[in-house]
Amino acid sequence: QVQLVQSGAEVKKPGASVKVSCKASGYTFTSYGISWVRQAPGQGLEWMGWISAYNGNTNYAQKLQGRVTMTTDTSTSTAYMELRSLRSDDTAVYYCARDDDDGMALWGQGTLVTVSS
Amino acid sequence: EIVLTQSPGTLSLSPGERATLSCRASQSVSSSYLAWYQQKPGQAPRLLIYGASSRATGIPDRFSGSGSGTDFTLTISRLEPEDFAVYYCQQYGSSPRVTFGGGTKVEIK
Repeated sequence: QVQLVQSGAEVKKPGASVKVSCKASGYTFTSYGISWVRQAPGQGLEWMGWISAYNGNTNYAQKLQGRVTMTTDTSTSTAYMELRSLRSDDTAVYYCARDDDDGMALWGQGTLVTVSS
Repeated sequence: EIVLTQSPGTLSLSPGERATLSCRASQSVSSSYLAWYQQKPGQAPRLLIYGASSRATGIPDRFSGSGSGTDFTLTISRLEPEDFAVYYCQQYGSSPRVTFGGGTKVEIK
Protein backbone atom coordinates (compact mmCIF):
# COMPACT_ATOMS: atom_id res chain seq x y z
CA GLN A 1 0.00 0.00 0.00
CA VAL A 2 0.93 3.66 -0.27
CA GLN A 3 3.05 4.52 2.75
CA LEU A 4 6.11 6.20 4.18
CA VAL A 5 8.05 4.20 6.77
CA GLN A 6 10.63 5.97 8.89
CA SER A 7 13.63 4.70 10.79
CA GLY A 8 13.55 4.11 14.51
CA ALA A 9 14.09 6.34 17.52
CA GLU A 10 17.52 7.83 18.16
CA VAL A 11 19.31 9.15 21.23
CA LYS A 12 22.18 11.50 20.54
CA LYS A 13 24.56 13.64 22.55
CA PRO A 14 24.79 17.40 22.04
CA GLY A 15 27.04 18.22 19.09
CA ALA A 16 26.40 14.91 17.34
CA SER A 17 24.55 14.31 14.07
CA VAL A 18 21.48 12.25 13.27
CA LYS A 19 20.25 10.85 9.97
CA VAL A 20 16.62 9.80 9.67
CA SER A 21 15.35 7.75 6.75
CA CYS A 22 11.92 7.67 5.12
CA LYS A 23 11.17 4.79 2.75
CA ALA A 24 8.34 5.25 0.28
CA SER A 25 6.26 2.49 -1.25
CA GLY A 26 3.12 2.13 -3.32
CA TYR A 27 3.65 5.16 -5.55
CA THR A 28 6.16 6.56 -8.02
CA PHE A 29 8.76 8.07 -5.71
CA THR A 30 10.17 10.53 -8.23
CA SER A 31 6.75 12.07 -8.96
CA TYR A 32 6.60 13.93 -5.64
CA GLY A 33 8.69 15.92 -3.24
CA ILE A 34 9.27 15.10 0.40
CA SER A 35 8.98 17.63 3.21
CA TRP A 36 10.38 17.12 6.66
CA VAL A 37 8.43 18.47 9.62
CA ARG A 38 9.36 18.28 13.29
CA GLN A 39 7.42 18.65 16.50
CA ALA A 40 9.08 19.35 19.84
CA PRO A 41 7.36 17.84 22.91
CA GLY A 42 4.04 19.60 23.51
CA GLN A 43 4.67 22.07 20.68
CA GLY A 44 3.35 22.74 17.20
CA LEU A 45 4.54 21.68 13.78
CA GLU A 46 7.73 23.15 12.31
CA TRP A 47 8.59 22.76 8.64
CA MET A 48 12.27 21.95 8.16
CA GLY A 49 12.60 21.78 4.41
CA TRP A 50 11.72 20.04 1.18
CA ILE A 51 13.47 17.95 -1.41
CA SER A 52 12.39 17.06 -4.90
CA ALA A 53 12.64 13.31 -5.39
CA TYR A 54 12.75 14.01 -9.13
CA ASN A 55 15.91 16.10 -9.32
CA GLY A 56 17.19 16.53 -5.75
CA ASN A 57 16.47 20.26 -5.54
CA THR A 58 16.13 21.41 -1.96
CA ASN A 59 14.56 24.27 -0.03
CA TYR A 60 15.48 24.52 3.64
CA ALA A 61 13.96 26.57 6.42
CA GLN A 62 16.19 29.55 7.05
CA LYS A 63 16.50 28.67 10.73
CA LEU A 64 18.18 25.35 9.88
CA GLN A 65 20.34 26.44 6.95
CA GLY A 66 23.83 25.07 7.36
CA ARG A 67 22.82 22.33 9.81
CA VAL A 68 20.41 20.27 7.75
CA THR A 69 20.89 18.23 4.59
CA MET A 70 18.13 16.38 2.76
CA THR A 71 18.89 13.73 0.19
CA THR A 72 17.15 10.96 -1.69
CA ASP A 73 18.12 7.56 -3.06
CA THR A 74 15.84 6.87 -5.98
CA SER A 75 17.11 3.29 -6.30
CA THR A 76 15.52 2.46 -2.95
CA SER A 77 12.78 5.15 -2.91
CA THR A 78 14.19 6.51 0.31
CA ALA A 79 14.55 10.07 1.55
CA TYR A 80 17.03 11.08 4.22
CA MET A 81 17.28 14.02 6.59
CA GLU A 82 20.57 14.68 8.38
CA LEU A 83 20.76 17.24 11.17
CA ARG A 84 24.18 18.21 12.55
CA SER A 85 25.46 19.97 15.66
CA LEU A 86 22.51 18.73 17.65
CA ARG A 87 21.27 20.74 20.62
CA SER A 88 18.79 19.90 23.34
CA ASP A 89 16.11 21.95 21.58
CA ASP A 90 16.37 19.63 18.57
CA THR A 91 14.65 16.98 20.67
CA ALA A 92 11.47 16.29 18.71
CA VAL A 93 9.48 13.86 16.66
CA TYR A 94 10.62 14.16 13.05
CA TYR A 95 8.12 13.41 10.27
CA CYS A 96 8.54 13.01 6.55
CA ALA A 97 5.55 13.82 4.37
CA ARG A 98 4.84 13.49 0.68
CA ASP A 99 4.59 17.04 -0.54
CA ASP A 100 1.82 17.24 -3.13
CA ASP A 101 0.49 20.31 -4.88
CA ASP A 102 -2.61 19.65 -2.76
CA GLY A 103 -1.00 19.57 0.66
CA MET A 104 0.62 16.71 2.56
CA ALA A 105 -1.75 13.77 2.41
CA LEU A 106 0.79 11.06 3.21
CA TRP A 107 2.95 11.09 6.35
CA GLY A 108 5.48 8.80 7.91
CA GLN A 109 4.88 7.48 11.42
CA GLY A 110 7.43 9.83 12.97
CA THR A 111 10.89 9.31 14.47
CA LEU A 112 11.69 10.49 17.99
CA VAL A 113 15.12 12.06 18.25
CA THR A 114 16.28 12.75 21.79
CA VAL A 115 19.30 14.95 22.37
CA SER A 116 20.69 14.51 25.85
CA SER A 117 24.06 14.40 27.53
CA GLU B 1 8.01 35.34 5.69
CA ILE B 2 4.31 34.50 5.99
CA VAL B 3 3.18 34.04 9.59
CA LEU B 4 -0.07 32.19 10.29
CA THR B 5 -1.92 33.02 13.50
CA GLN B 6 -4.62 30.64 14.66
CA SER B 7 -7.39 31.49 17.08
CA PRO B 8 -8.60 30.63 19.56
CA GLY B 9 -5.78 28.68 21.14
CA THR B 10 -8.27 26.35 22.77
CA LEU B 11 -11.93 25.77 21.97
CA SER B 12 -14.07 24.02 24.60
CA LEU B 13 -17.20 22.52 23.08
CA SER B 14 -19.60 19.62 23.53
CA PRO B 15 -20.27 16.82 21.03
CA GLY B 16 -22.87 17.94 18.50
CA GLU B 17 -21.84 21.60 18.67
CA ARG B 18 -20.37 23.62 15.81
CA ALA B 19 -16.69 24.50 15.85
CA THR B 20 -15.28 27.51 14.03
CA LEU B 21 -11.49 27.82 13.83
CA SER B 22 -9.68 30.84 12.43
CA CYS B 23 -6.36 31.17 10.61
CA ARG B 24 -5.05 34.64 9.78
CA ALA B 25 -2.03 35.24 7.56
CA SER B 26 0.43 38.13 7.85
CA GLN B 27 0.18 38.62 4.10
CA SER B 28 -2.08 37.36 1.37
CA VAL B 29 -2.02 33.61 0.73
CA SER B 30 -3.18 32.08 -2.49
CA SER B 31 -6.34 30.13 -1.72
CA SER B 32 -4.94 27.32 -3.77
CA TYR B 33 -2.27 26.80 -1.14
CA LEU B 34 -4.00 26.84 2.23
CA ALA B 35 -4.52 23.54 4.03
CA TRP B 36 -5.87 22.30 7.34
CA TYR B 37 -4.65 19.30 9.34
CA GLN B 38 -5.95 17.37 12.32
CA GLN B 39 -3.56 15.82 14.82
CA LYS B 40 -4.37 13.47 17.67
CA PRO B 41 -1.91 12.58 20.45
CA GLY B 42 0.82 10.22 19.30
CA GLN B 43 -0.26 10.39 15.68
CA ALA B 44 1.00 12.10 12.55
CA PRO B 45 -1.05 15.00 11.21
CA ARG B 46 -3.92 14.13 8.87
CA LEU B 47 -4.79 16.31 5.88
CA LEU B 48 -8.40 17.54 6.08
CA ILE B 49 -8.68 20.43 3.64
CA TYR B 50 -6.51 21.67 0.78
CA GLY B 51 -6.92 24.59 -1.57
CA ALA B 52 -8.73 26.37 1.29
CA SER B 53 -12.01 24.52 0.69
CA SER B 54 -11.47 21.09 -0.90
CA ARG B 55 -11.86 18.07 1.35
CA ALA B 56 -9.10 15.49 1.19
CA THR B 57 -9.92 11.89 0.36
CA GLY B 58 -12.07 10.21 2.99
CA ILE B 59 -12.77 13.34 5.03
CA PRO B 60 -16.39 13.57 6.26
CA ASP B 61 -18.50 16.42 4.92
CA ARG B 62 -18.97 17.88 8.41
CA PHE B 63 -15.52 19.42 7.83
CA SER B 64 -15.49 22.48 5.59
CA GLY B 65 -13.00 25.20 4.79
CA SER B 66 -13.50 28.71 3.53
CA GLY B 67 -11.77 32.04 3.17
CA SER B 68 -9.37 33.94 0.97
CA GLY B 69 -6.57 36.49 1.13
CA THR B 70 -5.49 36.63 4.76
CA ASP B 71 -8.49 35.12 6.56
CA PHE B 72 -9.39 31.45 6.49
CA THR B 73 -11.81 29.32 8.50
CA LEU B 74 -12.23 25.65 9.27
CA THR B 75 -15.74 24.68 10.34
CA ILE B 76 -16.81 21.41 11.90
CA SER B 77 -20.59 21.43 11.62
CA ARG B 78 -21.37 18.93 14.39
CA LEU B 79 -18.58 17.68 16.58
CA GLU B 80 -18.20 13.94 16.85
CA PRO B 81 -16.22 12.38 19.74
CA GLU B 82 -13.33 11.60 17.40
CA ASP B 83 -13.02 15.26 16.32
CA PHE B 84 -11.50 16.42 19.59
CA ALA B 85 -7.91 17.07 18.57
CA VAL B 86 -5.49 19.81 17.58
CA TYR B 87 -5.96 21.53 14.23
CA TYR B 88 -3.27 23.31 12.22
CA CYS B 89 -3.51 25.54 9.20
CA GLN B 90 -0.69 25.55 6.67
CA GLN B 91 0.27 27.67 3.71
CA TYR B 92 2.38 26.17 0.98
CA GLY B 93 3.89 27.64 -2.11
CA SER B 94 5.11 31.02 -0.86
CA SER B 95 8.54 31.62 0.58
CA PRO B 96 9.24 29.92 2.86
CA ARG B 97 7.75 26.99 1.01
CA VAL B 98 5.65 25.88 3.98
CA THR B 99 4.44 27.59 7.16
CA PHE B 100 2.22 26.17 9.87
CA GLY B 101 0.00 28.03 12.28
CA GLY B 102 0.41 27.49 15.99
CA GLY B 103 -2.62 25.24 16.27
CA THR B 104 -6.07 25.25 17.89
CA LYS B 105 -6.96 22.58 20.42
CA VAL B 106 -10.60 21.49 20.34
CA GLU B 107 -11.38 19.97 23.72
CA ILE B 108 -14.45 18.44 25.30
CA LYS B 109 -16.36 20.86 27.48
